Amino acid sequence: DTEVTQTPKHLVMGMTNKKSLKCEQHMGHRAMYWYKQKAKKPPELMFVYSYEKLSINESVPSRFSPECPNSSLLNLHLHALQPEDSALYLCASSRQDSSNQPQHFGDGTRLSIL
Amino acid sequence: SQQGEEDPQALSIQEGENATMNCSYKTSINNLQWYRQNSGRGLVHLILIRSNEREKHSGRLRVTLDTSKKSSSLLITASRAADTASYFCATVSSQYGNKLVFGAGTILRVKS
Repeated sequence: DTEVTQTPKHLVMGMTNKKSLKCEQHMGHRAMYWYKQKAKKPPELMFVYSYEKLSINESVPSRFSPECPNSSLLNLHLHALQPEDSALYLCASSRQDSSNQPQHFGDGTRLSIL
Repeated sequence: SQQGEEDPQALSIQEGENATMNCSYKTSINNLQWYRQNSGRGLVHLILIRSNEREKHSGRLRVTLDTSKKSSSLLITASRAADTASYFCATVSSQYGNKLVFGAGTILRVKS
């Protein structure tokens, strides 16, 4: 079992839908991350939150909107996605937003855009 | 651009054999990390090795780092079928904003 919980595990949505991905951790970590992973590729960083503030946005299109309501929760709001956005979306956390901290990953949400 | 490149892309061995995966990178780094990803699952952190370290061990895992060659290797000894997974190296470098940048990964298959 992972200590980072992501819901839902699978999501199928149309290009006009609005949905949200959720991520939760109770390890007291103060940094949380969103990654996108296409099939047979490595994860690519999307966003970093440090102490509940957005610290890095890797030039992600505005149809992806992150939110960190509190130190344990991280959401990714989706709107008007494109078929190429179909991927595994991974959430991770670390004790701090420090380069010497290992990251703990959830099992991801597999997203399919019709 | 991708910071780390891994070699081989895929590796198939028999249970009990050792598996070696290599990772090369382009810039100076703060540290290098290895992660495992089982099919359909998230990544699991294996080992972090700092730039001033040359070797680290964790159970059946041995990681080496050669900063002069900008390369690292992950050795899994006495492999088991449960070691079947994708293995990624990831580097942290001030030139990439101290973010974790993953290599392409090695797919390891251990046959029983």
